[in-house]
Amino acid sequence: GAGVSQSPRYKVAKRGQDVALRCDPISGHVSLFWYQQALGQGPEFLTYFQNEAQLDKSGLPSDRFFAERPEGSVSTLKIQRTQQEDSAVYLCASSLERAGGYTFGSGTRLTVV
Amino acid sequence: QKEVEQDPGPLSVPEGAIVSLNCTYSNSAFQYFMWYRQYSRKGPELLMYTYSSGNKEDGRFTAQVDKSSKYISLFIRDSQPSDSATYLCAMSGKGGFKTIFGAGTRLFVKA
Repeated sequence: GAGVSQSPRYKVAKRGQDVALRCDPISGHVSLFWYQQALGQGPEFLTYFQNEAQLDKSGLPSDRFFAERPEGSVSTLKIQRTQQEDSAVYLCASSLERAGGYTFGSGTRLTVV
Repeated sequence: QKEVEQDPGPLSVPEGAIVSLNCTYSNSAFQYFMWYRQYSRKGPELLMYTYSSGNKEDGRFTAQVDKSSKYISLFIRDSQPSDSATYLCAMSGKGGFKTIFGAGTRLFVKA
């Protein structure tokens, strides 16, 4: 596709519910990133994939967060047993190379009630 | 102290003004420096990308990096109401992939 596509755009989850957020990167982009953006803050790094390999997951806040990219294209970020502090915008980005600028999707706004 | 500091603003200027946006950082390992623009309810959009020190110009936008002072700037000439957005500075180290963002500066350009 022409850009990075994320779905759903908005998600409301009850506390304790599991959620799955999808990212469709630009075709051919090797690198894929997940970021979390709280209101009024800059994006915070969560995890990085090069093709299907997850090379860095140091930013995942807890073991309730899990990301995968099994075939080196589409990626899913899963959050188990959601908590109120998980409410944020989750941004996916992709790039041809790992350094330099990314192309971001519009994000998924998660609200945990 | 955060690795990247950025004044959140808001910054309000009249149309046609020159805008100066700045960030400071503490990690001397940073080598890639970016500026992103983010409109409300949208993802960040890459505006400028610079490797190491120096200046880079693209249309009305000029990015400056001073590694000795750990200070980066973005200048916007002839600002337009459509430039109203949040501007995020971002940087990464030699490995490149883990980008650290500032908190963003909200800019309002009044017609």
